[in-house]
Amino acid sequence: QSALTQPPSASGSPGQSVTISCTGTSSDVGGYNYVSWYQQHPGKAPKLMIYEVSKRPSGVPDRFSGSKSGNTASLTVSGLQAEDEADYYCSSYAGSNNLVFGTGTKVTVL
Amino acid sequence: QVQLVQSGAEVKKPGASVKVSCKASGYTFTGYYMHWVRQAPGQGLEWMGRINPNSGGTNYAQKFQGRVTMTRDTSISTAYMELSRLRSDDTAVYYCARALAKIDDYWGQGTLVTVSS
Repeated sequence: QSALTQPPSASGSPGQSVTISCTGTSSDVGGYNYVSWYQQHPGKAPKLMIYEVSKRPSGVPDRFSGSKSGNTASLTVSGLQAEDEADYYCSSYAGSNNLVFGTGTKVTVL
Repeated sequence: QVQLVQSGAEVKKPGASVKVSCKASGYTFTGYYMHWVRQAPGQGLEWMGRINPNSGGTNYAQKFQGRVTMTRDTSISTAYMELSRLRSDDTAVYYCARALAKIDDYWGQGTLVTVSS
């Protein structure tokens, strides 16, 4: 199972929006509505930000939104804030009780 | 409150095995799958597999088939991940995670395993 493809980096100024893509195949991202997004700050465990493509767990700001089209999922962070600077990872169910993560994207707030 | 407390850092020699524990509290241990995810230094997240604490049934990522064993002890609400035939590229932080990628997602603090001769 190959890792999902994410851009290595993305950036934006405070208040702007940034969108991160996560590209897989019809066997993972495109085949199931089970895409999740994680935020990870240095030295910390990942934190779930989006699950099932577009759902937000309690406590996650509505500045974070998710979507999917075909084999590509996206995470949009609107109204960027300094604390949004982190690594972001997508994940997807990949069939046969398997799960796969993306390659990760480092978001920089300029 | 939910807690997943993992065992401490380990240093192992190539070819050895390591067993990491993950003690759960604050919820019904048998009610949620427990997953294991690792992260090599400066690298991304890698799913290793999961265990159903209720039945003991497991699913492993193909990459780790034959080298990983996930078990649990329901009497002490603890999950274990054992990785054998360690190599230097197994050096990573190993995380346990409850209900990965679902609304009840919750992660342990991570355990650093260093493989070095």
